[in-house]
Formats: sequence, structure tokens, C-alpha cells
Amino acid sequence: DVKVTQSSRYLVKRTGEKVFLECVQDMDHENMFWYRQDPGLGLRLIYFSYDVKMKEKGDIPEGYSVSREKKERFSLILESASTNQTSMYLCASSLLQGRDNTEAFFGQGTRLTVV
Amino acid sequence: QQQVKQSPQSLIVQKGGISIINCAYENTAFDYFPWYQQFPGKGPALLIAIRPDVSEKKEGRFTISFNKSAKQFSLHIMDSQPGDSATYFCAATKRKGKLIFGQGTTLQVKP
Repeated sequence: DVKVTQSSRYLVKRTGEKVFLECVQDMDHENMFWYRQDPGLGLRLIYFSYDVKMKEKGDIPEGYSVSREKKERFSLILESASTNQTSMYLCASSLLQGRDNTEAFFGQGTRLTVV
Repeated sequence: QQQVKQSPQSLIVQKGGISIINCAYENTAFDYFPWYQQFPGKGPALLIAIRPDVSEKKEGRFTISFNKSAKQFSLHIMDSQPGDSATYFCAATKRKGKLIFGQGTTLQVKP
């Protein structure tokens, strides 16, 4: 059974804290993604990684950074958390495009509240 | 800027009716168009997908219609059921599989 695991379901952090969201996949996928989900705005791509140590900015990278030191792990870092980063964060993984199956598999999400 | 635009934001349909959700895109580099379904408390899951060399794809009660010249695609849910109540996202991918989503549609199917 394919699996994308996010380290926390719920997090509460203080303004200004450095926050780490961890994601691990067990499918040997090349691609990994971080999205944030907000009502009415859908899923907005924060960062995308297509290989170890490779990353591309998504639509809303400001205030975030990422790390991919191993193929199975993709971390999202909020350098200095702010209240406008309160959101649901979703991690996903998929095979590299060009193969037949490009389905993305999602984790359960991390509900982050910044106070 | 929203690269994939989805409408309506919410939809209420009677049981047995047809649900229609529309999406439009600008970037002709997109070459794969999936739809994802999300239930409360869960991550999205792939429902059905289409490539632009095909105008229609059907899987059970779910059909994607694709209009390449208009850069639009839509999801039709036939014989909608209360169990179909969920949030639906259209999406598009381009090089390396970078996946861009629309804003989402919350569907409620009334018994």
C-alpha cells in the first residue's frame, strides 16, 4: 500500500518560530511537492522537487524553504512563522513525468496554527 | 496568478442529477489533466485523468471532456450520489510532473 506520511496532523507554533514540516514517502518517487490548502484558494504549490537536492519554486514560495537530502524525505521550513501562514499543509509524491503513471499521492495533511 | 481556473466554487445537486465542474488553463505546455477528489480530513486522491490528444475519457459515472482549442476541460458526474459529496480539484502538469491545481469545487449531493 503506497504511503506518504506527514510527521504531524496538528501543530501550534508561535510567531517568529522556525517550523519544520516533515514528509516521507515509501514509493521511490522522484517528485515531491508541498502545497498549502486554504478555503476558496484551492491547493497552491509552495515548492516542488524532482530529484534529491533539486527544487523549484511554486506559486507561493515566499517565507518558505525546503530541503531534500534523501529521495524519500522532503521537508518544508517556515523560517520565521507568521499568522498568515496558518493553513493546512499537504505533501505529495509522484513518479517523474514521462512514465505512464503520473498519479500524485498525498499525505493526510498538517494543520498548522501560528499564534 | 492562477494558472488553472476552476468553477463553480460550490455546487448543490439532487441525487441522480448530473454534476458539472469546469476548468480553464492558459499554458499550452500543460500535457496531463487529472481530477482529484478530497473527502473531509483526507488528502486528495486521483479520480480520473486525460491527456490532450483525447477529447473525452469515461470511467464509470465520471467523464472528462477536453477542448484543446479552447483550453478548457470539465468533469461530469452522472447519476450523482450522496457519497460523491466531496471537494473536487482539477489540475494540470507540465515538464517533470509539476502539478498545478485549480481552486476546488465543493459538491453537495442532496438525497
